[in-house]
Amino acid sequence: GQQVMQIPQYQHVQEGEDFTTYCNSSTTLSNIQWYKQRPGGHPVFLIQLVKSGEVKKQKRLTFQFGEAKKNSSLHITATQTTDVGTYFCAGQNNNDMRFGAGTRLTVKP
Amino acid sequence: AAGVIQSPRHLIKEKRETATLKCYPIPRHDTVYWYQQGPGQDPQFLISFYEKMQSDKGSIPDRFSAQQFSDYHSELNMSSLELGDSALYFCASSLYVSSGNSPLHFGNGTRLTVT
Repeated sequence: GQQVMQIPQYQHVQEGEDFTTYCNSSTTLSNIQWYKQRPGGHPVFLIQLVKSGEVKKQKRLTFQFGEAKKNSSLHITATQTTDVGTYFCAGQNNNDMRFGAGTRLTVKP
Repeated sequence: AAGVIQSPRHLIKEKRETATLKCYPIPRHDTVYWYQQGPGQDPQFLISFYEKMQSDKGSIPDRFSAQQFSDYHSELNMSSLELGDSALYFCASSLYVSSGNSPLHFGNGTRLTVT
């Protein structure tokens, strides 16, 4: 079945440094979604990428979808303490949605 | 705006007991997903429903069953509970579109503790 791999599992950065998490699917996706889960909270939808090679930006966050629609990345520029949390990618094919293992980001002030 | 409502928020059960978790999706959402999340782990997909019919099945144990009712709310029934069932159970809802691209909206989850 469809599998979604995400790396790294953990990332600890100094405030102001950049951060990137990568997501790779074993199958071609119809779309990929990104979620953020704060400690003790529930996953919150950030963005959805649909088109091959698509790039979307949300302030300091940049999301990319690979040309083959099998991989994606989330890049945060100049991290802040408010960016702390676990970032999940979720690959969708038809009505089948599978989450990556998540990247837990901690930011040192 | 209305969100996904899950009840109860916390549940404590003993081994071999049964539990029922409820989920009320966002109004007009027709798809419900159930996920199980252990400590420090990613949400594991259990099962989903579209228009009251099971649409996909993940790693849901045979001891668990679920259904979606005519008002679109869903219930996850868990029997013969085991210690390993202790986890946070999330329900998410979405609106199905022909391309299947609707994002998921999660509830706050039900924390189940089995003792």
